[in-house]
Amino acid sequence: GIQVEQSPPDLILQEGANSTLRCNFSDSVNNLQWFHQNPWGQLINLFYIPSGTKQNGRLSATTVATERYSLLYISSSQTTDSGVYFCASEGLNDYKLSFGAGTTVTVRA
Amino acid sequence: DTGVSQDPRHKITKRGQNVTFRCDPISEHNRLYWYRQTLGQGPEFLTYFQNEAQLEKSRLLSDRFSAERPKGSFSTLEIQRTEQGDSAMYLCASSIQGPNVLTFGAGSRLTVL
Repeated sequence: GIQVEQSPPDLILQEGANSTLRCNFSDSVNNLQWFHQNPWGQLINLFYIPSGTKQNGRLSATTVATERYSLLYISSSQTTDSGVYFCASEGLNDYKLSFGAGTTVTVRA
Repeated sequence: DTGVSQDPRHKITKRGQNVTFRCDPISEHNRLYWYRQTLGQGPEFLTYFQNEAQLEKSRLLSDRFSAERPKGSFSTLEIQRTEQGDSAMYLCASSIQGPNVLTFGAGSRLTVL
């Protein structure tokens, strides 16, 4: 299946800082999603973004499918942004998402 | 629409016992997925259904694991003769055919003593 690598594995931010999380994937995809996992384990879908750029409040994401990577931007971070961010992708002939190992974000007040 | 529901949220069992988890997907979603997540790792695919048909199973799904989705509605995941290595969070997700945007439930956390 498709391989997904995320970097960095851990990120510590001061409240108000901006950050960029990266996701590399090993093959062409027809689906890429970013999730936030809260401290209770719930995975929340942030973006469905197989290509292009989307924005939702202080979060935005860009996927460059031809170069096989996606970026998640967090601007003006808040303590509530803390948690684990996962990137997941689905190959062209696949019907399941493969997840990366995640980036653990800690935002300090 | 109450989202994806999973039950129980927590299960503690002794090694060798059988456990069953239930997932109720979003009502109009015809695809249903089971994933397993251990501490510090991303979710790993176990199996998925389209309607009542189980279309793919991971090699992670040993013969002690069985999943069903009768009538294409709710799904159950049963683990027989549990082992300590089965301790994990079991996540269910559903999606509607088309762009495969998954919605996850809150998960069922299994602890095998």
